[in-house]
Amino acid sequence: KAGVTQTPRYLIKTRGQQVTLSCSPISGHRSVSWYQQTPGQGLQFLFEYFSETQRNKGNFPGRFSGRQFSNSRSEMNVSTLELGDSALYLCASSLDWAGNTGELFFGEGSRLTVL
Amino acid sequence: TQLLEQSPQFLSIQEGENLTVYCNSSSVFSSLQWYRQEPGEGPVLLVTVVTGGEVKKLKRLTFQFGDARKDSSLHITAAQPGDTGLYLCAGEGGFYNQGGKLIFGQGTELSVKP
Repeated sequence: KAGVTQTPRYLIKTRGQQVTLSCSPISGHRSVSWYQQTPGQGLQFLFEYFSETQRNKGNFPGRFSGRQFSNSRSEMNVSTLELGDSALYLCASSLDWAGNTGELFFGEGSRLTVL
Repeated sequence: TQLLEQSPQFLSIQEGENLTVYCNSSSVFSSLQWYRQEPGEGPVLLVTVVTGGEVKKLKRLTFQFGDARKDSSLHITAAQPGDTGLYLCAGEGGFYNQGGKLIFGQGTELSVKP
């Protein structure tokens, strides 16, 4: 069973640019969540999608957005990049949301560096 | 605002030693999960505790959920170099949950030297 796949694994951008990250969940998983991981803040929840609808959202500015497609694949976009956006962006899929104490399966992450 | 506090943040020990990692909050959680993350990889779930006072064992790892479901601990007996990694606790259903599925602690970076 293939795991969660995130692309690209590494990318470098400059301030003001925008970036799109992709996540393919485990087959059959309908919930996809995105987290930002930095040394100072740890894992911070960005948003969660279920059946193409954003079901939960964290406390990030509107520059951070996402979407989910009918095949459950998800993308997140960050516009007008800032130096502080440098982080590891993790995608996690689950059969359903963690309210059922379900397990989150994480991808290896996309490491974004903003210069 | 970080609602789950883990301690210690860094821990470097010798092989064979015991250690305990703590995860504390002022919020009540319906469940708490522990993950381990190795360099270059995403976190992997170790255990989920649901009931106050619950104790779960996974080989040399013992997890406990506090009676009030506000705190948890992870105890490792006779640590091995293979235990090295970042240990994360994550709570769901807390009162101050701001719409996210899981609130993560900042993690405990464990290094076990041979």
